[in-house]
Amino acid sequence: AQTVTQSQPEMSVQEAETVTLSCTYDTSESDYYLFWYKQPPSRQMILVIRQEAYKQQNATENRFSVNFQKAAKSFSLKISDSQLGDAAMYFCAFKPLMNRDDKIIFGKGTRLHILP
Amino acid sequence: EPEVTQTPSHQVTQMGQEVILRCVPISNHLYFYWYRQILGQKVEFLVSFYNNEISEKSEIFDDQFSVERPDGSNFTLKIRSTKLEDSAMYFCASRRDRVEPEAFFGQGTRLTVV
Repeated sequence: AQTVTQSQPEMSVQEAETVTLSCTYDTSESDYYLFWYKQPPSRQMILVIRQEAYKQQNATENRFSVNFQKAAKSFSLKISDSQLGDAAMYFCAFKPLMNRDDKIIFGKGTRLHILP
Repeated sequence: EPEVTQTPSHQVTQMGQEVILRCVPISNHLYFYWYRQILGQKVEFLVSFYNNEISEKSEIFDDQFSVERPDGSNFTLKIRSTKLEDSAMYFCASRRDRVEPEAFFGQGTRLTVV
């Protein structure tokens, strides 16, 4: 069974600083997708970034980047130049490539606080 | 920008009552999902739906739950006889096709069972 583990229930970072959120996962699949979702106080789930496991290059989206270590099954999210609007719950998520197993599996989340 | 829309945003119901949560997925999407999030816990998969039938469901999705796409645009989740432990945030999501892995989530419906 696939699992996603986020070991940091909460983190805080000073505005304009950089923060890294950790995520590890367990799977026997070789092809899959990894995601980071942001859930602000409005509770909507917003996709921040995604990574295809077959791609060696780490994904980046503006101030958000990932450090994908396939052998270690690690997928951390780095937020640079943190802004107040980044305060949210962040969920790491996994989806196998094969559609026989269609669901997205989420970690328990990390609540990120931005300190002004 | 197209988005997944859920109604209502908040529903309060008495234990034992039936509730129907409604979702309008993005119009050209083919795969539909319901997830739930009990307060303070992780988001859990309930069910996936494709080609007018359930393609996968979790252990949570027991006989009390059902899904339907009654008119080609709405996608509903029905809970027949609600229990206190059904109180949660329910998220609908849709995905375009087999190739595109990204699921787009609605803003959620907060269900409170009293």
